[in-house]
Amino acid sequence: AQKVTQAQTEISVVEKEDVTLDCVYETRDTTYYLFWYKQPPSGELVFLIRRNSFDEQNEISGRYSWNFQKSTSSFNFTITASQVVDSAVYFCALSEGPSGGSYIPTFGRGTSLIVHP
Amino acid sequence: DSGVTQTPKHLITATGQRVTLRCSPRSGDLSVYWYQQSLDQGLQFLIQYYNGEERAKGNILERFSAQQFPDLHSELNLSSLELGDSALYFCASSPYRLGTATNEKLFFGSGTQLSVL
Repeated sequence: AQKVTQAQTEISVVEKEDVTLDCVYETRDTTYYLFWYKQPPSGELVFLIRRNSFDEQNEISGRYSWNFQKSTSSFNFTITASQVVDSAVYFCALSEGPSGGSYIPTFGRGTSLIVHP
Repeated sequence: DSGVTQTPKHLITATGQRVTLRCSPRSGDLSVYWYQQSLDQGLQFLIQYYNGEERAKGNILERFSAQQFPDLHSELNLSSLELGDSALYFCASSPYRLGTATNEKLFFGSGTQLSVL
């Protein structure tokens, strides 16, 4: 069974600080996908990144970067020079499969990031 | 704007009642997912439909049911409501195509906040 653990319930930082959100996953599949989604105060979840299990390249997109390490089953997310607009709940998700022809993402409990001005 | 439309945004009802939540997926998406988000359980997968057919079932109660219509919109029916059913219900759609090996990201609606009093 797939499982995602986001041990950090809430992180509070001051603007311009760097912050890393941790995500640890469990799966028995060799083929799987990992995702990060952002849920701002408005409530709608927004996709940030997708990574498949065969692609361990780290990725950088502006102030966002992701570190995927299969050896430690982790897919961590770093925001550099955080801004108030980064305040949101961030979810890590894992999708094995397909199961019965479908990929069903399992989400972690989320990490609430609060960036103070 | 994700392109996924959910109505209503808010719903207040009493225990024992029945409600229907509606979702219109992004244009061209055949796959619809329903998730329940609560403080207790986090983001829980309920059910998935693909082109009108049920494809996967998660932690959906027997009092809950869903369907996807020929125009691809979906409805989630919640009956005999209990206080514990109060939650934010999300619909998401995906460009995923059956038989492909690619796990597509989900596009989420803004959710329906259900309050059972």
